[in-house]
Amino acid sequence: EAQLEQSGAVVKEPGESLKISCKASGYTFTRHWIGWVRQMSGRGLELLGMIHPGDSDTKYSPSFQGQVTISVDKSVNTAYLQLSSLQASDTAVYFCSRLTPPPYYFDLWGLGTLVTVSS
Amino acid sequence: EIVMTQSPATLSVSPGERATLSCWASQNVNSHLAWYQQKPGQPPRLLISGASTRATGIPARFSGSGSGTDFTLTISSLQAEDFAVYYCQQYESWPTFTFGGGTKVEIK
Repeated sequence: EAQLEQSGAVVKEPGESLKISCKASGYTFTRHWIGWVRQMSGRGLELLGMIHPGDSDTKYSPSFQGQVTISVDKSVNTAYLQLSSLQASDTAVYFCSRLTPPPYYFDLWGLGTLVTVSS
Repeated sequence: EIVMTQSPATLSVSPGERATLSCWASQNVNSHLAWYQQKPGQPPRLLISGASTRATGIPARFSGSGSGTDFTLTISSLQAEDFAVYYCQQYESWPTFTFGGGTKVEIK
């Protein structure tokens, strides 16, 4: 069964950085783009960007270009989302999600990682 | 960026009744439209792709229609487990996919 397992909830102070992970299993990791989606409390879904594990090709949504860094380690079937200089406004649940082959949509989701930024 | 607009923001429906949710795109997205269901504390779940194709395991009471800029998700007879938030998402504009703001379906 295909799954995406995300790292656990984290609490950080403003100015800190963090890297959350998304480990894939049950399918060929290098064949599907992985996207990262943010959901602030009580709000909708925002695509941050996506990466292709096969060649590490990365695309960022314009609003998040330069704000986040997406990476992958295909040797361990894991994608990463790095957030730097955290602010309270980065407090949200971050989901990773698998995209289907073209035409692309999200067919498999991780459970989400709650990031809380608070002093 | 293609802006997706959903209406209404909240829909109050009695169990067994029909629910009709709307989604509009600011530009033509052809049939590259997906619907997701999200329950509290859970990730979104794919319901519909290609504007009208149900995902694996999705009950037949869920149906999608539309193309271009106007789309509809219909739940023919609401069950208790259908009360949730529903999002539409366009995947026409690679790689800047966008979601609608969501429609919350609540018990009347």
